[in-house]
Amino acid sequence: SQTIHQWPATLVQPVGSPLSLECTVEGTSNPNLYWYRQAAGRGLQLLFYSVGIGQISSEVPQNLSASRPQDRQFILSSKKLLLSDSGFYLCAWNRGRGNTIYFGEGSWLTVV
Amino acid sequence: EDQVTQSPEALRLQEGESSSLNCSYTVSGLRGLFWYRQDPGKGPEFLFTLYSAGEEKEKERLKATLTKKESFLHITAPKPEDSATYLCAVQAQAGKSTFGDGTTLTVKP
Repeated sequence: SQTIHQWPATLVQPVGSPLSLECTVEGTSNPNLYWYRQAAGRGLQLLFYSVGIGQISSEVPQNLSASRPQDRQFILSSKKLLLSDSGFYLCAWNRGRGNTIYFGEGSWLTVV
Repeated sequence: EDQVTQSPEALRLQEGESSSLNCSYTVSGLRGLFWYRQDPGKGPEFLFTLYSAGEEKEKERLKATLTKKESFLHITAPKPEDSATYLCAVQAQAGKSTFGDGTTLTVKP
């Protein structure tokens, strides 16, 4: 069966510091990978998605970037965090268009 | 632009009191409609996928239905452990998914 892991689960970072959230998927190959952000009481905002190694599409211009160095690894980064980057970040995967999206457990980021 | 509207925003039920959650959508070519359950501080957990109008799926006390404009998540005789936020999402032919803001369900014993 397929599993998705993301870490760290909780992160408190000062303004201006760098960020790295990691996500790996096991049990499948060539998945579509996604990073979402969820504001309190709101739905999910798609930040980045990837259909293959080195292929990244950005949905929202912002202070964040994503990379896919390996087939099943997806990384969300920032060089300098802003207060507005605080939130709940979710990594997700699916097998392609029309297929169910499966989510990781999420990472809480607080920028102070 | 694809849109998903969920109602109500919050729903409080007594244990055993059946009800329905609504997901209204507009999408340019529906490829699939998805329901998820999300517990506080956790990632969404997949419940159902519906692909065409008239389709129904069931799982324990939950039943999801789909028409050309909306989907309903029916909860029969809910229990306190059904308390969670329920998210609806649609995927368009182009492959992009749009999520609603969710309905937060509280079931009192």
